[in-house]
Amino acid sequence: GENVEQHPSTLSVQEGDSAVIKCTYSDSASNYFPWYKQELGKRPQLIIDIRSNVGEKKDQRIAVTLNKTAKHFSLHITETQPEDSAVYFCAASWGTSKIIFGSGTRLSIRP
Amino acid sequence: GAVVSQHPSRVICKSGTSVKIECRSLDFQATTMFWYRQFPKQSLMLMATSNEGSKATYEQGVEKDKFLINHASLTLSTLTVTSAHPEDSSFYICSALTKDNEQFFGPGTRLTVL
Repeated sequence: GENVEQHPSTLSVQEGDSAVIKCTYSDSASNYFPWYKQELGKRPQLIIDIRSNVGEKKDQRIAVTLNKTAKHFSLHITETQPEDSAVYFCAASWGTSKIIFGSGTRLSIRP
Repeated sequence: GAVVSQHPSRVICKSGTSVKIECRSLDFQATTMFWYRQFPKQSLMLMATSNEGSKATYEQGVEKDKFLINHASLTLSTLTVTSAHPEDSSFYICSALTKDNEQFFGPGTRLTVL
C-alpha cells in the first residue's frame, strides 16, 4: 500500500535560519501533497499544499517543492521564528482517496 | 478554510462503557470524512473512511465492531467506541473532505478510559 516516509524526526534550528523537511512517497499515482502543522494538543492545520502538475509553490516564508520522478517532496521554512516550533506532517493522496501521513518532524526554533 | 467541529473535546469513561464522538462540517457538505487516532508523540493513524449513506471502510487491523461509524448526513459523522478499555485511550481526530479534495480537521477528542 501507499507509504510516506519523512525525515528528520526532530530538527532544531537557530531563529532566523532555514528549516527543511523531506518526504518520499511510494505510490506514483499520488497527486496531492499537503503539509500540516500541529501544535501540542491541537488539530493539524493545513499550511501549504502542492498538486502533481506543479513543481514548486511558495507562500511567504513557506515553500514546497515536488519531484515526481524521484517521488520526493520537501517543505522549506525560511527566516524561522519561535512560533514555527511545532510538529510538521507531510502527506500524500490520490483523488478523493485517503491521505497517508508521514511520521512527523518535531521542529524546535532556538532563540 | 473550512470549519470542522468535534464533540466532545474531552471524555473520561469507565472500562466497558461506550462513547460516541461527533464530527460536523459546519460550513460545507462532506460526502467523505475520515477518523484518525493519535497516540502521544506519534503520527495520525487512519482508522476508517466514512462515506455518507454507505458503510465505512476500515483500515487493516481496526475492528469495525468495536469502532462503529455512522455517516447519516452530509455534515455529520459519528464514531462510537464500544466496550472501551484503557488501551483505547487516545486522541481521536476526524477530518472532512471538501469538494476540492482538501482535508480539514476537527479539534480532536481526548478519550481516557479508566
